[in-house]
Amino acid sequence: SQTIHQWPATLVQPVGSPLSLECTVEGTSNPNLYWYRQAAGRGLQLLFYSVGIGQISSEVPQNLSASRPQDRQFILSSKKLLLSDSGFYLCAWSVAKGFIYEQYFGPGTRLTVT
Amino acid sequence: DQQVKQNSPSLSVQEGRISILNCDYTNSMFDYFLWYKKYPAEGPTFLISISSIKDKNEDGRFTVFLNKSAKHLSLHIVPSQPGDSAVYFCAASVWSSNTGKLIFGQGTTLQVKP
Repeated sequence: SQTIHQWPATLVQPVGSPLSLECTVEGTSNPNLYWYRQAAGRGLQLLFYSVGIGQISSEVPQNLSASRPQDRQFILSSKKLLLSDSGFYLCAWSVAKGFIYEQYFGPGTRLTVT
Repeated sequence: DQQVKQNSPSLSVQEGRISILNCDYTNSMFDYFLWYKKYPAEGPTFLISISSIKDKNEDGRFTVFLNKSAKHLSLHIVPSQPGDSAVYFCAASVWSSNTGKLIFGQGTTLQVKP
């Protein structure tokens, strides 16, 4: 069966510090991968998606970047965090079933920028 | 421009009764839809999906109805249980994009009272 891992679970970082969040998927190959953010009291906003190694698409302009160095590894980074980067970050992967891509989420990382 | 809207921020129902969660969309290109359930500080859990070639899909206590002409879908939970209390998100996508990108609504908080 497939599983998705995210770490760390929680993170408190000062403004201006770097960020690296990691996501790995097991039990599948060549998945589509996604990073979402949920700000307090808001819905889920797609930040980046990747359909293959080294292929990254950004959905919104921001202070963050993403990389996919391996087939089942997706990394979210920032060189200098802003207060507005605080939120709940979710990684997800998807599989095509019929005419639907079912998407499955990791446990999330709570980031607080102070 | 919010393409997927959940106009009811919250819903309260009695245990054993039916819960009906609604979702509207504006983009006629969307051709499949998914519902997720989310507890605080956890990743969303996939519940049920529907392709635009259908108008109904059922899985146990969960049924999703799609009205393409009205650009409206709803999730019915029967009977509702206290453990169903969570935030429910609807999401939409376009199959032909081959990306599996999801556009989420803002969510509806369901409270099921014992």
